[in-house]
Amino acid sequence: NAGVMQNPRHLVRRRGQEARLRCSPMKGHSHVYWYRQLPEEGLKFMVYLQKENIIDESGMPKERFSAEFPKEGPSILRIQQVVRGDSAAYFCASSPPSTSSYNEQFFGPGTRLTVL
Amino acid sequence: GNSVTQMEGPVTLSEEAFLTINCTYTATGYPSLFWYVQYPGEGLQLLLKATKADDKGSNKGFEATYRKETTSFHLEKGSVQVSDSAVYFCALSAGTSYGKLTFGQGTILTVHP
Repeated sequence: NAGVMQNPRHLVRRRGQEARLRCSPMKGHSHVYWYRQLPEEGLKFMVYLQKENIIDESGMPKERFSAEFPKEGPSILRIQQVVRGDSAAYFCASSPPSTSSYNEQFFGPGTRLTVL
Repeated sequence: GNSVTQMEGPVTLSEEAFLTINCTYTATGYPSLFWYVQYPGEGLQLLLKATKADDKGSNKGFEATYRKETTSFHLEKGSVQVSDSAVYFCALSAGTSYGKLTFGQGTILTVHP
């Protein structure tokens, strides 16, 4: 069973361009989470999605950022008109459907975004 | 809101030394607590967890006890190895959105032979 896949692993964009980060959850997992790690900081929650639904987007910046998890295909984190402050490592995690109060999250290797 | 505070790093130890990484938290309700480890170039891996007060999580020689009275979840290992060199993150899940993990800032551990 392959782990959580993220691509690309490294992404370089110029200011004003768009960045698209992809996350394929583990097989059988229907929950996806995105986190951002700025230099010298811990991971910060951005958004929690289930198939075709955004469950919690309280950590997403109000502008330029969006996320989706379609019925088919990977989850996409999209950043429009990138700025230098968007340079960070973006991690995706997935978990299986469960009725328990906590689902263990399995993390991908991350996408390191550099904005020139 | 929820928050996690880890001891300042980095931490440098010799092989077979005793390790403690402090972690304290503030949270609404009764959080679940976790330690994650991140090896260079890789994603985070769950190291251990505890879901209620006085629970002890353990894995690979690492231990942490959920202390509600001191709101702490300190990570310990009796004898570290070079292969334990990594970044360690304390985290919690609490409140109405159990999907959200709140992380500490991470502690870099380097173990020398």
